[in-house]
Amino acid sequence: RKEVEQDPGPFNVPEGATVAFNCTYSNSASQSFFWYRQDCRKEPKLLMSVYSSGNEDGRFTAQLNRASQYISLLIRDSKLSDSATYLCVVNALGPSGTYKYIFGTGTRLKVLA
Amino acid sequence: GAGVSQSPSNKVTEKGKDVELRCDPISGHTALYWYRQSLGQGLEFLIYFQGNSAPDKSGLPSDRFSAERTGGSVSTLTIQRTQQEDSAVYLCASSLRTVGYGYTFGSGTRLTVV
Repeated sequence: RKEVEQDPGPFNVPEGATVAFNCTYSNSASQSFFWYRQDCRKEPKLLMSVYSSGNEDGRFTAQLNRASQYISLLIRDSKLSDSATYLCVVNALGPSGTYKYIFGTGTRLKVLA
Repeated sequence: GAGVSQSPSNKVTEKGKDVELRCDPISGHTALYWYRQSLGQGLEFLIYFQGNSAPDKSGLPSDRFSAERTGGSVSTLTIQRTQQEDSAVYLCASSLRTVGYGYTFGSGTRLTVV
């Protein structure tokens, strides 16, 4: 099983739709969770952290389910500019005894006019 | 600097040559990471440095790859005897710590081996 798994998509949704992505992780000791956004041929950029109690930033809501070991990202009222690849990131204990971040391969979203 | 700086932004090299890629992290960030991304693919972890701890080299694909971080700041990724399959975008990122803090990525070095 991969350490971090995402549905690659693409998710094609009309403008104004609500769309949700899930990401599962295998390491129950993971402590930090993030969603990143990557536009075509650009570097990933931090979208939001994911907190245990769930958190919201405008149209974006992130949630963590520790029992089932997944995180989710909900985007409401989708805009054309939301079209991108969304990367799930989870930290995991590395062989040197310190934590490192593991990236999922990303879920591609296309918002259609 | 204000962000993570990588140089060069583009590098074309002949197969068999050595290349050095440079990363200048955000000042004060103790954690520094190297990833690579082939066209249309996800991020592949290469190596990371955390403060004075021994680096985690578990992602380096072969012994042709090595990296150093001098003085806890600038890092250099070296690829010896480059092969065509090394062609990719090499991304560097830094973070204040590895728990609770997200990364900031540089804009990457696009390496093409011909």
